[in-house]
Amino acid sequence: EDKVVQSPLSLVVHEGDTVTLNCSYEVTNFRSLLWYKQEKKAPTFLFMLTSSGIEKKSGRLSSILDKKELFSILNITATQTGDSAVYLCAVEASGSGNTGKLIFGQGTTLQVKP
Amino acid sequence: DAGITQSPRHKVTETGTPVTLRCHQTENHRYMYWYRQDPGHGLRLIHYSYGVKDTDKGEVSDGYSVSRSKTEDFLLTLESATSSQTSVYFCAIRGPGTGNTIYFGEGSWLTVV
Repeated sequence: EDKVVQSPLSLVVHEGDTVTLNCSYEVTNFRSLLWYKQEKKAPTFLFMLTSSGIEKKSGRLSSILDKKELFSILNITATQTGDSAVYLCAVEASGSGNTGKLIFGQGTTLQVKP
Repeated sequence: DAGITQSPRHKVTETGTPVTLRCHQTENHRYMYWYRQDPGHGLRLIHYSYGVKDTDKGEVSDGYSVSRSKTEDFLLTLESATSSQTSVYFCAIRGPGTGNTIYFGEGSWLTVV
Protein backbone atom coordinates (compact mmCIF):
# COMPACT_ATOMS: atom_id res chain seq x y z
CA GLU A 1 0.00 0.00 0.00
CA ASP A 2 1.29 3.44 -0.91
CA LYS A 3 2.26 5.48 2.12
CA VAL A 4 3.61 8.94 2.94
CA VAL A 5 4.77 9.72 6.48
CA GLN A 6 5.67 13.15 7.79
CA SER A 7 7.58 14.04 10.92
CA PRO A 8 7.31 15.64 13.30
CA LEU A 9 3.52 15.93 13.43
CA SER A 10 3.77 19.24 15.24
CA LEU A 11 6.49 21.72 16.06
CA VAL A 12 6.70 24.94 18.05
CA VAL A 13 9.59 27.32 17.44
CA HIS A 14 10.42 30.98 17.99
CA GLU A 15 10.86 33.58 15.32
CA GLY A 16 14.28 33.41 13.75
CA ASP A 17 14.71 29.68 14.29
CA THR A 18 15.44 27.29 11.44
CA VAL A 19 13.19 24.26 11.04
CA THR A 20 13.46 21.03 9.08
CA LEU A 21 10.36 19.06 8.16
CA ASN A 22 10.65 15.47 7.03
CA CYS A 23 8.72 13.37 4.55
CA SER A 24 9.34 9.70 3.81
CA TYR A 25 7.43 7.62 1.32
CA GLU A 26 6.76 4.15 -0.01
CA VAL A 27 5.02 4.49 -3.34
CA THR A 28 5.00 2.35 -6.45
CA ASN A 29 5.46 4.16 -9.75
CA PHE A 30 6.78 7.37 -8.19
CA ARG A 31 6.47 10.44 -10.35
CA SER A 32 7.13 13.44 -8.13
CA LEU A 33 6.97 14.80 -4.60
CA LEU A 34 5.17 18.01 -3.76
CA TRP A 35 5.08 20.30 -0.75
CA TYR A 36 2.09 22.44 0.17
CA LYS A 37 1.37 25.02 2.86
CA GLN A 38 -2.12 25.13 4.36
CA GLU A 39 -3.44 27.97 6.51
CA LYS A 40 -7.06 27.14 7.41
CA LYS A 41 -8.08 27.06 3.76
CA ALA A 42 -6.92 25.44 0.53
CA PRO A 43 -3.39 24.05 0.35
CA THR A 44 -1.08 26.33 -1.61
CA PHE A 45 1.71 24.89 -3.71
CA LEU A 46 5.32 25.34 -2.61
CA PHE A 47 7.59 22.93 -4.51
CA MET A 48 7.55 20.00 -6.87
CA LEU A 49 10.58 17.70 -6.84
CA THR A 50 11.31 15.02 -9.37
CA SER A 51 15.09 14.58 -9.35
CA SER A 52 17.32 13.49 -6.52
CA GLY A 53 19.82 15.90 -5.04
CA ILE A 54 18.58 19.05 -6.72
CA GLU A 55 17.52 21.69 -4.23
CA LYS A 56 14.50 23.83 -4.93
CA LYS A 57 14.55 27.22 -3.27
CA SER A 58 12.08 30.03 -2.78
CA GLY A 59 13.10 32.79 -0.43
CA ARG A 60 13.60 31.30 3.02
CA LEU A 61 12.15 27.94 2.01
CA SER A 62 14.09 25.15 0.37
CA SER A 63 13.53 21.48 -0.30
CA ILE A 64 15.46 18.50 -1.55
CA LEU A 65 14.60 14.96 -2.58
CA ASP A 66 16.51 11.71 -2.05
CA LYS A 67 15.00 9.05 -4.31
CA LYS A 68 17.40 6.38 -3.14
CA GLU A 69 16.46 6.75 0.52
CA LEU A 70 12.84 7.71 -0.33
CA PHE A 71 12.56 10.95 1.58
CA SER A 72 12.44 14.70 1.26
CA ILE A 73 13.06 17.59 3.62
CA LEU A 74 11.62 21.08 3.71
CA ASN A 75 13.77 23.72 5.38
CA ILE A 76 12.56 27.08 6.58
CA THR A 77 15.21 29.53 7.74
CA ALA A 78 14.70 32.66 9.84
CA THR A 79 11.12 31.65 10.60
CA GLN A 80 8.39 34.28 10.95
CA THR A 81 4.95 34.11 12.55
CA GLY A 82 3.49 34.06 9.05
CA ASP A 83 5.12 30.68 8.51
CA SER A 84 2.70 29.17 11.03
CA ALA A 85 0.68 26.63 9.07
CA VAL A 86 0.27 22.97 8.29
CA TYR A 87 2.87 21.75 5.81
CA LEU A 88 1.75 18.89 3.63
CA CYS A 89 3.92 16.49 1.72
CA ALA A 90 2.40 14.56 -1.17
CA VAL A 91 3.78 11.99 -3.54
CA GLU A 92 2.44 11.61 -7.01
CA ALA A 93 2.02 8.05 -8.26
CA SER A 94 0.94 6.92 -11.68
CA GLY A 95 -2.76 6.27 -12.07
CA SER A 96 -5.36 5.62 -14.74
CA GLY A 97 -5.28 7.61 -17.93
CA ASN A 98 -1.62 8.45 -17.41
CA THR A 99 -2.55 10.92 -14.73
CA GLY A 100 -0.91 11.29 -11.39
CA LYS A 101 -2.78 10.93 -8.14
CA LEU A 102 -1.44 12.54 -5.01
CA ILE A 103 -1.01 10.59 -1.80
CA PHE A 104 -0.68 12.90 1.19
CA GLY A 105 1.07 12.59 4.49
CA GLN A 106 -0.66 13.63 7.71
CA GLY A 107 0.95 17.03 7.68
CA THR A 108 3.27 18.85 10.09
CA THR A 109 1.70 21.66 12.10
CA LEU A 110 4.23 24.43 12.61
CA GLN A 111 3.65 27.19 15.14
CA VAL A 112 6.08 30.09 15.17
CA LYS A 113 5.96 32.18 18.33
CA PRO A 114 7.01 35.86 18.38
CA ASP B 1 -5.51 31.51 -8.97
CA ALA B 2 -6.07 28.34 -10.98
CA GLY B 3 -9.63 29.28 -11.92
CA ILE B 4 -11.37 26.74 -9.68
CA THR B 5 -14.77 27.41 -8.14
CA GLN B 6 -16.42 25.07 -5.70
CA SER B 7 -20.09 25.18 -4.76
CA PRO B 8 -21.65 25.21 -2.33
CA ARG B 9 -18.90 26.44 -0.02
CA HIS B 10 -20.85 25.46 3.10
CA LYS B 11 -23.74 23.05 3.49
CA VAL B 12 -25.60 21.37 6.33
CA THR B 13 -27.70 18.39 5.35
CA GLU B 14 -29.56 15.57 7.03
CA THR B 15 -28.51 11.95 7.12
CA GLY B 16 -29.91 10.01 4.19
CA THR B 17 -30.29 12.92 1.83
CA PRO B 18 -28.40 13.15 -1.48
CA VAL B 19 -25.82 15.89 -1.85
CA THR B 20 -23.94 17.10 -4.90
CA LEU B 21 -20.83 19.24 -4.78
CA ARG B 22 -19.73 21.03 -7.89
CA CYS B 23 -16.25 21.90 -9.07
CA HIS B 24 -16.00 24.31 -11.96
CA GLN B 25 -12.80 25.29 -13.74
CA THR B 26 -12.24 27.90 -16.39
CA GLU B 27 -8.83 26.87 -17.73
CA ASN B 28 -9.75 23.75 -19.70
CA HIS B 29 -7.55 21.48 -17.58
CA ARG B 30 -7.80 17.81 -18.35
CA TYR B 31 -7.31 16.33 -14.89
CA MET B 32 -9.62 16.99 -11.95
CA TYR B 33 -9.71 15.49 -8.47
CA TRP B 34 -11.90 15.34 -5.38
CA TYR B 35 -10.24 15.03 -1.95
CA ARG B 36 -11.62 15.06 1.55
CA GLN B 37 -9.70 16.34 4.56
CA ASP B 38 -10.28 15.10 8.09
CA PRO B 39 -8.33 15.56 11.30
CA GLY B 40 -5.76 12.81 11.72
CA HIS B 41 -6.12 11.62 8.14
CA GLY B 42 -4.85 14.47 6.04
CA LEU B 43 -6.09 14.73 2.49
CA ARG B 44 -7.47 11.56 0.92
CA LEU B 45 -8.38 11.05 -2.71
CA ILE B 46 -12.02 10.17 -3.37
CA HIS B 47 -12.25 10.12 -7.17
CA TYR B 48 -10.43 11.65 -10.07
CA SER B 49 -11.02 12.30 -13.74
CA TYR B 50 -8.62 12.25 -16.67
CA GLY B 51 -11.08 13.50 -19.26
CA VAL B 52 -14.75 13.87 -20.10
CA LYS B 53 -16.56 10.73 -18.96
CA ASP B 54 -13.22 9.23 -17.81
CA THR B 55 -13.09 8.77 -14.06
CA ASP B 56 -11.50 6.41 -11.56
CA LYS B 57 -11.69 5.67 -7.86
CA GLY B 58 -9.34 6.92 -5.22
CA GLU B 59 -8.63 5.44 -1.80
CA VAL B 60 -11.92 6.46 -0.10
CA SER B 61 -14.52 6.18 -2.87
CA ASP B 62 -17.19 4.17 -1.02
CA GLY B 63 -20.41 6.17 -0.72
CA TYR B 64 -19.40 8.63 -3.43
CA SER B 65 -19.96 8.87 -7.15
CA VAL B 66 -18.71 11.39 -9.68
CA SER B 67 -19.59 12.61 -13.13
CA ARG B 68 -17.80 14.67 -15.71
CA SER B 69 -20.00 15.39 -18.69
CA LYS B 70 -17.99 18.42 -19.80
CA THR B 71 -14.40 19.50 -19.30
CA GLU B 72 -15.14 22.37 -16.95
CA ASP B 73 -17.36 20.58 -14.41
CA PHE B 74 -16.60 17.69 -12.05
CA LEU B 75 -19.48 16.72 -9.78
CA LEU B 76 -19.19 14.74 -6.55
CA THR B 77 -22.38 13.08 -5.31
CA LEU B 78 -23.10 11.57 -1.94
CA GLU B 79 -26.04 9.32 -2.77
CA SER B 80 -27.23 9.05 0.83
CA ALA B 81 -25.21 11.24 3.17
CA THR B 82 -23.95 9.81 6.46
CA SER B 83 -22.40 11.53 9.45
CA SER B 84 -19.04 9.96 8.56
CA GLN B 85 -19.07 12.08 5.41
CA THR B 86 -18.94 15.29 7.40
CA SER B 87 -15.72 16.77 6.11
CA VAL B 88 -14.05 19.44 4.08
CA TYR B 89 -14.02 18.58 0.39
CA PHE B 90 -11.39 19.98 -1.94
CA CYS B 91 -11.46 19.93 -5.69
CA ALA B 92 -8.13 20.07 -7.49
CA ILE B 93 -6.97 20.44 -11.07
CA ARG B 94 -3.87 19.66 -13.03
CA GLY B 95 -2.80 20.40 -16.52
CA PRO B 96 -0.05 21.72 -18.74
CA GLY B 97 -0.98 25.27 -17.86
CA THR B 98 -0.20 24.55 -14.22
CA GLY B 99 3.25 23.14 -14.94
CA ASN B 100 1.76 19.75 -14.16
CA THR B 101 1.33 20.85 -10.57
CA ILE B 102 -1.92 20.15 -8.76
CA TYR B 103 -3.82 23.21 -7.51
CA PHE B 104 -6.72 23.19 -5.09
CA GLY B 105 -10.04 24.98 -4.90
CA GLU B 106 -11.14 26.81 -1.77
CA GLY B 107 -13.00 23.86 -0.27
CA SER B 108 -16.58 22.91 0.55
CA TRP B 109 -17.49 22.40 4.19
CA LEU B 110 -20.16 19.71 4.52
CA THR B 111 -21.91 18.83 7.77
CA VAL B 112 -24.24 15.84 7.89
CA VAL B 113 -26.54 15.89 10.93
